[in-house]
Amino acid sequence: AQKVTQAQTEISVVEKEDVTLDCVYETRDTTYYLFWYKQPPSGELVFLIRRNSFDEQNEISGRYSWNFQKSTSSFNFTITASQVVDSAVYFCALRERSGAGSYQLTFGKGTKLSVIP
Amino acid sequence: NAGVTQTPKFRVLKTGQSMTLLCAQDMNHEYMYWYRQDPGMGLRLIHYSVGEGTTAKGEVPDGYNVSRLKKQNFLLGLESAAPSQTSVYFCASSYSPPASEQYFGPGTRLTVT
Repeated sequence: AQKVTQAQTEISVVEKEDVTLDCVYETRDTTYYLFWYKQPPSGELVFLIRRNSFDEQNEISGRYSWNFQKSTSSFNFTITASQVVDSAVYFCALRERSGAGSYQLTFGKGTKLSVIP
Repeated sequence: NAGVTQTPKFRVLKTGQSMTLLCAQDMNHEYMYWYRQDPGMGLRLIHYSVGEGTTAKGEVPDGYNVSRLKKQNFLLGLESAAPSQTSVYFCASSYSPPASEQYFGPGTRLTVT
């Protein structure tokens, strides 16, 4: 089973529409961290947000918001009033303690968002 | 600060050739990582290092070797390249996990023919 599931492979929206990217994770740890990264067409990965398992407060940053729900093991990402510059691949990632005692980051397969002008 | 840099940006190899990818970071991070990104697969961890002189295997280490002789550098080697190693390789660095985010380099696109 995948530890991080991003069920939406590709999404297309028209500019100014709202869009939600889903992320479902699986872990047995009580302490873990969740991340979202953005990969624009230029290719680099840009960190967007980090959330730890003890903080279920939703976060808003400008047009971006994140909804963390431990009860459903989900960490969804919403873009309000989407813009063409939001076109990118978005990755959700989980950091938990590995069997060797270190903390490894496991990425989902990504959701490609295309915002059409 | 340059952040995380990778050399080279592009490379084409023939099957059986060897090469080394260089990653450098100027943020004094203890941890460094090598990932590969393949279409539809997300990023998968190849090897990582928790400090100078240390390395450890990740999810997909076969066919790769790494070295961390200096804190700021992390080298990824392919001893005998195979077409299955055609991928985009990303280096990343971070402060000690688990909370700290990873900073990524721009990537190296490797094609093995």
